[in-house]
Amino acid sequence: AQSVAQPEDQVNVAEGNPLTVKCTYSVSGNPYLFWYVQYPNRGLQFLLKYITGDNLVKGSYGFEAEFNKSQTSFHLKKPSALVSDSALYFCAVRDLGNAGNMLTFGGGTRLMVKP
Amino acid sequence: NAGVTQTPKFRILKIGQSMTLQCTQDMNHNYMYWYRQDPGMGLKLIYYSVGAGITDKGEVPNGYNVSRSTTEDFPLRLELAAPSQTSVYFCASDGGHVSPLHFGNGTRLTVT
Repeated sequence: AQSVAQPEDQVNVAEGNPLTVKCTYSVSGNPYLFWYVQYPNRGLQFLLKYITGDNLVKGSYGFEAEFNKSQTSFHLKKPSALVSDSALYFCAVRDLGNAGNMLTFGGGTRLMVKP
Repeated sequence: NAGVTQTPKFRILKIGQSMTLQCTQDMNHNYMYWYRQDPGMGLKLIYYSVGAGITDKGEVPNGYNVSRSTTEDFPLRLELAAPSQTSVYFCASDGGHVSPLHFGNGTRLTVT
């Protein structure tokens, strides 16, 4: 079975400082990994994905994520946080061996960026 | 290009009532999904479909039904509403294994 853990319910960071939102996963095969962001009263929006290749993936709004196979992690990062980055962030994994093509989501991490 | 459209945006039901949450997508995606999101929780998969005429249960299917008569539409039916079904419901679609999900803006359902 596949699973995703986001160990922090909330991350607080000052505007202009770097941010990291953590994600670890467990799959039986090779993972497809995704990050989504959710703003209030909206659906989730795709930020970035790792399928194969370079371990550092760049996505929307200046976000990036690093795939680390040995640590089974896929942490989301941004060099300089903006107040407008405040939102709920979800990590998700899709196991290549998972029939049905279903994603498993983590519980979400609320990012609060303070001016 | 509207993407994934859900209706209604809000609904209040009384216990035992029934309703259908509508979802339509205009991206010609084969895969469609229904999730529920409870406060402070992640998303739980209710039902999914890999193409017209094919549906299957997700993690939390009890109390719900779906149909997929066309590629575009994937309605979710609640037959006998219960307070435990109070949640925000999201419909999503994608084009395959490496494709990201596209989400609708959700339906906020309250059962009292």
